[in-house]
Amino acid sequence: EADIYQTPRYLVIGTGKKITLECSQTMGHDKMYWYQQDPGMELHLIHYSYGVNSTEKGDLSSESTVSRIRTEHFPLTLESARPSHTSQYLCASSPDDHNEQFFGPGTRLTVL
Amino acid sequence: KNQVEQSPQSLIILEGKNCTLQCNYTVSPFSNLRWYKQDTGRGPVSLTIMTFSENTKSNGRYTATLDADTKQSSLHITASQLSDSASYICVVSVIMNTGFQKLVFGTGTRLLVSP
Repeated sequence: EADIYQTPRYLVIGTGKKITLECSQTMGHDKMYWYQQDPGMELHLIHYSYGVNSTEKGDLSSESTVSRIRTEHFPLTLESARPSHTSQYLCASSPDDHNEQFFGPGTRLTVL
Repeated sequence: KNQVEQSPQSLIILEGKNCTLQCNYTVSPFSNLRWYKQDTGRGPVSLTIMTFSENTKSNGRYTATLDADTKQSSLHITASQLSDSASYICVVSVIMNTGFQKLVFGTGTRLLVSP
């Protein structure tokens, strides 16, 4: 079982609210990632980080932002949630690019 | 068109039977190929990672094969158990010109093992 945690597991909110999805790992991994996955569809990378103070956008455009102030913490923020943001958000970490990525349990977000 | 295609989309087998899942990919340059298992509502868990020089890799009852020439991989599950019911995702790792290793995910095969 990987030591990577995501909170909340489920979130239902109204349009226009600001939300932060939390992700933390205790494995000391430098690389962290955020993926978006719609039901029955493939995962798409929306953000990644090489380490502290490093953040990059992935190949799926997202209105969310991320920060990496501490190695173990990689939160994702939506300033103003919309129904189109409804999806599952998965956080992952790895010691480097060549090893497996360890995934958290995901946050299922529903925006009404 | 997805660069990682999996078949079948879904599969139902009886407990104790074997099955083989297929993956065809077109992405390049290829770094490695991974198979993940994803239970409903959970994050994916890695089963195998293979570089282009490896033809086969096993993890318990799971055996993955790779043919880098034809760009095909398969995942064979032996003596299936009810707990094998999940989505199985083929993931190809591509090296970008920035040096970043990007994962390209298939849509998965949804396996249901029936008692």
